[in-house]
Amino acid sequence: EVQLVESGGGLVQPGGSLRLSCAGSGFTFSSYWMSWVRQAPGKGLEWVANIKQDGNEKYYVDSVKGRFTISRDNAKNSLSLQMNSLRAEDTAVYYCARFDYGSGPFDYWGQGRLVTVSS
Amino acid sequence: DVQMTQSPSSVSASVGDRVTITCRASQGISSWLAWYQQKPGKAPNLLISAASSLQSGVPSRFSGSGSGTDFTLTISSLQPEDFATYYCQQANSFPYTFGQGTKLEIK
Repeated sequence: EVQLVESGGGLVQPGGSLRLSCAGSGFTFSSYWMSWVRQAPGKGLEWVANIKQDGNEKYYVDSVKGRFTISRDNAKNSLSLQMNSLRAEDTAVYYCARFDYGSGPFDYWGQGRLVTVSS
Repeated sequence: DVQMTQSPSSVSASVGDRVTITCRASQGISSWLAWYQQKPGKAPNLLISAASSLQSGVPSRFSGSGSGTDFTLTISSLQPEDFATYYCQQANSFPYTFGQGTKLEIK
């Protein structure tokens, strides 16, 4: 059974930093692109970042470029999102998701972690 | 960026009804279109990929169609567990984008 379990998150002041992690199991982690998707309270879904299997290609939504960094450790089946210079508009539930590059969807999702940016 | 527009934004329907949700892309995305169901407090669940490919375990009352810019999700006979919010998503080009969502409510 594919499982994605996020950790991290919480309350941080504007301008602060936070790191999210995601542990994958039940599949060959190193064979898949991985993603972060977020959802602001009461709002829709927003793709945040993607990382290729070997970590050598990374893509970000414009609003987080230069502030967020996606990374992975295939030896530990782990995905991370380092979030710096956080803003109030980054407040959201952040989901780790497996990305099926062949047909394009996010086929498995974690349970999500709430990140709140507030003073 | 490819803008995804869903309609309607909300719909009220009864158990047993047939419901169709549409999704329009601002430019052609071939068949790089997925549909998700999300219930309150839960992660989204993938229903359909590649515009019309039903995911394993998803009931056959769900179906998807379309290509290019216009897509539809149809639920042939609504069941109580289908009341949720539905999102389309394009994966033709970065940044991947979602529709704003369609909330399906009980009439």
